Amino acid sequence: EAQVTQNPRYLITVTGKKLTVTCSQNMNHEYMSWYRQDPGLGLRQIYYSMNVEVTDKGDVPEGYKVSRKEKRNFPLILESPSPNQTSLYFCASSADRGYNEQFFGPGTRLTVL
Amino acid sequence: AQKVTQAQTEISVVEKEDVTLDCVYETRDTTYYLFWYKQPPSGELVFLIRRNSFDEQNEISGRYSWNFQKSTSSFNFTITASQVVDSAVYFCALSDHNNDMRFGAGTRLTVKP
Repeated sequence: EAQVTQNPRYLITVTGKKLTVTCSQNMNHEYMSWYRQDPGLGLRQIYYSMNVEVTDKGDVPEGYKVSRKEKRNFPLILESPSPNQTSLYFCASSADRGYNEQFFGPGTRLTVL
Repeated sequence: AQKVTQAQTEISVVEKEDVTLDCVYETRDTTYYLFWYKQPPSGELVFLIRRNSFDEQNEISGRYSWNFQKSTSSFNFTITASQVVDSAVYFCALSDHNNDMRFGAGTRLTVKP
């Protein structure tokens, strides 16, 4: 089954404790992206990647890191999480660039205390 | 810079009513892509439609229809004879040559029986 998976689905952590949210897709998609969803703000793009070793900042990259060492994986790293990073995070992938339909993962709800 | 505005934060209708969700966008590009996604209460994001800037034909898919008007920079979404299962948050999104994706803040639609 074609899908985008994220782990963990729920995470409660404390300020400053490094964490990684994993994202994996099995569709051989070139383009992958991370978004955060906050009430009243919709989805905002954090980072995206056009292919392996190619990443670019979205609208709200501060406080986040990403890497794309393999085509299928695109982890989101919070080196020193802060409470304002409490949010619902979505990973997405698409076949080619940002203008194709994006397939979204199920979301990761992160709470930073 | 690109921007997507969904001015309607929440809409409530009674089942079988028609409802239109508005989307207004801004971009300097002549080539761009517009999308609608649905987020039901379960939280996943479901792709509904993609339209490129060169195709202004309206589209109909069952009870759903989309009206793309470049002259007013709008890409509105109409649900005919709404049903309770249509209750969701609907997002309009824009992607241009930068390959990033900009979402609107979303419109929460509630369809009451």
